[in-house]
Amino acid sequence: AQSVTQLGSHVSVSEGALVLLRCNYSSSVPPYLFWYVQYPNQGLQLLLKYTSAATLVKGINGFEAEFKKSETSFHLTKPSAHMSDAAEYFCAVRPIQGAQKLVFGQGTRLTINP
Amino acid sequence: DSGVTQTPKHLITATGQRVTLRCSPRSGDLSVYWYQQSLDQGLQFLIQYYNGEERAKGNILERFSAQQFPDLHSELNLSSLELGDSALYFCASSVGQSPSYEQYFGPGTRLTVT
Repeated sequence: AQSVTQLGSHVSVSEGALVLLRCNYSSSVPPYLFWYVQYPNQGLQLLLKYTSAATLVKGINGFEAEFKKSETSFHLTKPSAHMSDAAEYFCAVRPIQGAQKLVFGQGTRLTINP
Repeated sequence: DSGVTQTPKHLITATGQRVTLRCSPRSGDLSVYWYQQSLDQGLQFLIQYYNGEERAKGNILERFSAQQFPDLHSELNLSSLELGDSALYFCASSVGQSPSYEQYFGPGTRLTVT
């Protein structure tokens, strides 16, 4: 069964600093990978997705993620954090074949310090 | 705004009761997914429908059921409610079943069982 591990349930960075949120997946075949963001009292919004095209994926709000098969990782980065980036971030996998459900990591809460 | 609507936004009910959560997918989307978000379990897939037919089941309790109607809206029925059913329930939709299609999430229904 596929699974996702997000390292660090809480990450805190200063405004203007690099944001790095870590995600590792477990799958015998590289799945499709997604990052979602959840702002307080809201639903999930897709930031970006990897579907076996380019390994470096650019998303909305200045975020990007790099798929590394050798490391089974799909870490999310943003060069310069804004206060508005404070939210919870979820990494998710979806198998290329079979059930089409998303399997989510436990989430990482990002706090931005002024 | 994802285009997915869910009603009601909040629901407070007592143990043993039955509730119905409603979801309207984005215009043109044929697939509907239900997810449960709780503090202890995180985001868990419950069930998927495609064009009126059940396509995949996740960790859905027998007390829970769902259906998708001809107009493609979906309802999630929760019965014999327990305190542990208190959670945020999300509906998501996608245009088809391909794993590369992103799922668009609604704002969720927050269920509180007292």
